[in-house]
Amino acid sequence: QVKLLQSGAALVKPGASVKMSCKASGYTFTDYWVSWVKQSHGKSLEWIGEIYPNSGATNFNEKFKGKATLTVDKSTSTAYMELSRLTSEDSAIYYCTRGMGPLDYWGQGVMVTVSS
Amino acid sequence: DIQMTQSPASLSASLGETVTIECRASEDIYNGLAWYQQKPGKSPQLLIYNANSLHTGVPSRFSGSGSGTQYSLKINSLQSEDVASYFCQQYYDYPFTFGSGTKLEIK
Repeated sequence: QVKLLQSGAALVKPGASVKMSCKASGYTFTDYWVSWVKQSHGKSLEWIGEIYPNSGATNFNEKFKGKATLTVDKSTSTAYMELSRLTSEDSAIYYCTRGMGPLDYWGQGVMVTVSS
Repeated sequence: DIQMTQSPASLSASLGETVTIECRASEDIYNGLAWYQQKPGKSPQLLIYNANSLHTGVPSRFSGSGSGTQYSLKINSLQSEDVASYFCQQYYDYPFTFGSGTKLEIK
């Protein structure tokens, strides 16, 4: 079955960067876009951007351009998102998802806490 | 960006009841709409896509309808396991945007 296994929680200092992973299994990784979604505590969802593993093509929410970098490693069916210049506003749960449009499978989420 | 206005913000209903959640888009999204269920402490799960298509494995008591700028999610015969937050999402245009969510509780 389709699974997206994300890396563990991260505690990072303001101004630093964090890179999280999302390992896909149960389907052909290169056939589906991978999207990333942010959920701030107790709030709604924000779409960050997406990457197509086959080509590396990306689409971003303008709000997250310069903040998020999306990459993939096709050899391990793993997608990555790096967030840079972290502030308290970046403290949230980050999900990787499969799909371009409707997001049909979701990882378990990575909680990122930005604190000194 | 397309704004998604979801209502109500919270909802309390009895077991067996039928509930409806609404989502209004700031412009026509041509049925490019999905609904998600998020149970406490869990990841969101896709329920409905293309406004009215049921995702694999989703119980048939869930249904979606609408067109243009107005969409709704209906849950028939409410069950205890339906306690969750529900979100709509438009994917007609970039950036994809979500509604603010509806928290459903059992009376």
